[in-house]
Amino acid sequence: GQNIDQPTEMTATEGAIVQINCTYQTSGFNGLFWYQQHAGEAPTFLSYNVLDGLEEKGRFSSFLSRSKGYSYLLLKELQMKDSASYLCAVRCMTTDSWGKLQFGAGTQVVVTP
Amino acid sequence: DTAVSQTPKYLVTQMGNDKSIKCEQNLGHDTMYWYKQDSKKFLKIMFSYNNKELIINETVPNRFSPKSPDKAHLNLHINSLELGDSAVYFCASSQNGGRETQYFGPGTRLLVL
Repeated sequence: GQNIDQPTEMTATEGAIVQINCTYQTSGFNGLFWYQQHAGEAPTFLSYNVLDGLEEKGRFSSFLSRSKGYSYLLLKELQMKDSASYLCAVRCMTTDSWGKLQFGAGTQVVVTP
Repeated sequence: DTAVSQTPKYLVTQMGNDKSIKCEQNLGHDTMYWYKQDSKKFLKIMFSYNNKELIINETVPNRFSPKSPDKAHLNLHINSLELGDSAVYFCASSQNGGRETQYFGPGTRLLVL
């Protein structure tokens, strides 16, 4: 089975940096995704890592270490609109699952003025 | 120019009824999914179709029956609705047999009374 852990909630101030950690135990690992979900809305794609290292996209960066089963999402220069749930999702490619995404429970980020 | 659309957005119904949710994507993707997000915000895969063929079928009660008339559409029919079916149902799509990023629809909020 798959096991994906991330903190339940994090609070940070506008303009600050927040790092959301995600650890996973899975078989057939084939990529890790981060999605952002505002309350009452659909998850929207933020980033994708399949090789070890850092991927940077504007204010958001994501890091992956496959040997440690670990990823983080870094949000810089926080804005009020960044208040949302951030979902870590692991893709598994096995004989009976085609690109199946397993999601963590999400980390609720609260940005305060 | 909506990418992944779902109807209806809200659905309130009585226990025991049968209802359907429809999903359409205009991204030209070949793979579509149904997810359930419960009250704890945990997003879980239910089904996936690739080119109209069922490729993922998680442990879901057989009261739930997906149907894909063509690769741009994936519908979900639910028989004999129960209180525990109350959740948000998200449709998603991706390209290349699920090897690419998944894009989510706006969700259907189902409330069973």
